[in-house]
Amino acid sequence: DTAVSQTPKYLVTQMGNDKSIKCEQNLGHDTMYWYKQDSKKFLKIMFSYNNKELIINETVPNRFSPKSPDKAHLNLHINSLELGDSAVYFCASSPLIRTGYTFGSGTRLTVV
Amino acid sequence: DAKTTQPTSMDCAEGRAANLPCNHSTISGNEYVYWYRQIHSQGPQYIIHGLKNNETNEMASLIITEDRKSSTLILPHATLRDTAVYYCFFTGNTDKLIFGTGTRLQVFP
Repeated sequence: DTAVSQTPKYLVTQMGNDKSIKCEQNLGHDTMYWYKQDSKKFLKIMFSYNNKELIINETVPNRFSPKSPDKAHLNLHINSLELGDSAVYFCASSPLIRTGYTFGSGTRLTVV
Repeated sequence: DAKTTQPTSMDCAEGRAANLPCNHSTISGNEYVYWYRQIHSQGPQYIIHGLKNNETNEMASLIITEDRKSSTLILPHATLRDTAVYYCFFTGNTDKLIFGTGTRLQVFP
């Protein structure tokens, strides 16, 4: 079983659309994250949730809204997509005792 | 944000040890050194972490200098599958990982 799974793996959409990326972890971890990797390969944290509560919210446009229905899921909804949103988005999770984060395989979002 | 310095790229022959250095001179006493790697088109993969003692696991060894201002990740017998970008960073009580530009390790036959 995949520890951290994201869907979809690829997403191509037009500017102005609204889209969601889903993430699920079966590791029993308490904390989940969204990271964005841009075209220059820089990985930056966007959000962090601990047991369904938002604990980190970096400087991200409010068009991005994370939602955590339970501690095993953290979805990312993006409104009014822009060309600059094109990137690879990674979901990750970690236990309370921070021995290592587990990342998903990424969602490649292309806005045209 | 925490800052580390790593060489942009390194080469290593297959079967040889790959030694990847990292400078983290602003690290403070309660911050851990972490190493991750990212193989092309995959999510980052945790390798190892340490506070001040040297650490070893099934993937690699981590050597931290006594003053903790630098560390070296050692892949004892590099394989072609170890070709990846290796990220070093340190973090303490903050709950986020701050990735730098990393070292692109190319293992050649």
